[in-house]
Amino acid sequence: AQSVTQLDSHVSVSEGTPVLLRCNYSSSYSPSLFWYVQHPNKGLQLLLKYTSAATLVKGINGFEAEFKKSETSFHLTKPSAHMSDAAEYFCVVSDGGRRALTFGSGTRLQVQP
Amino acid sequence: DGGITQSPKYLFRKEGQNVTLSCEQNLNHDAMYWYRQDPGQGLRLIYYSQIVNDFQKGDIAEGYSVSREKKESFPLTVTSAQKNPTAFYLCASRERDRDDTGELFFGEGSRLTVL
Repeated sequence: AQSVTQLDSHVSVSEGTPVLLRCNYSSSYSPSLFWYVQHPNKGLQLLLKYTSAATLVKGINGFEAEFKKSETSFHLTKPSAHMSDAAEYFCVVSDGGRRALTFGSGTRLQVQP
Repeated sequence: DGGITQSPKYLFRKEGQNVTLSCEQNLNHDAMYWYRQDPGQGLRLIYYSQIVNDFQKGDIAEGYSVSREKKESFPLTVTSAQKNPTAFYLCASRERDRDDTGELFFGEGSRLTVL
């Protein structure tokens, strides 16, 4: 079965500084990987996805992620944090066998003024 | 606008009562999903359905039941057998695709509290 580990449960940055949210995955085949964002008491929104095309994936709101097969990682980055980026972020891996997605435990991003 | 509608947004239940959470989508998606969210645990899959009249148990199906009689609807019943039902429930849908790359679209969630 596929799994995903988000290495930090909380990350705090200052506005205007870079953001790094870390994700490692485990998969017996070449997976699809996603990052979703959730604002308080809301549903989730797709930030970006990797589907075996380019290894550097650009998403919405200036976020990007790089797929590194040798490190089994899919870290999410943004050059400059904005206050509106404060939310919870989920790394997600496809589970091709049953056509469902497996979610990481989430990373809460705080942005300090 | 196309999307997923969950209702009610907030629900209170007494112990021993069954409750049903509604999920309706007008995206014409074949696949629909129910997830449960608890603080610090991410989303856990309860049930999913790839097509009308068919559904599969997820990782935490005990104490829950679903039906899929129509393509656009996938209601979830939380039964009295669910020992710890207080949680945030999220419904999602996506197109059924061969290579499993499709984006999940989520509703706004339903927060269930057992009194």
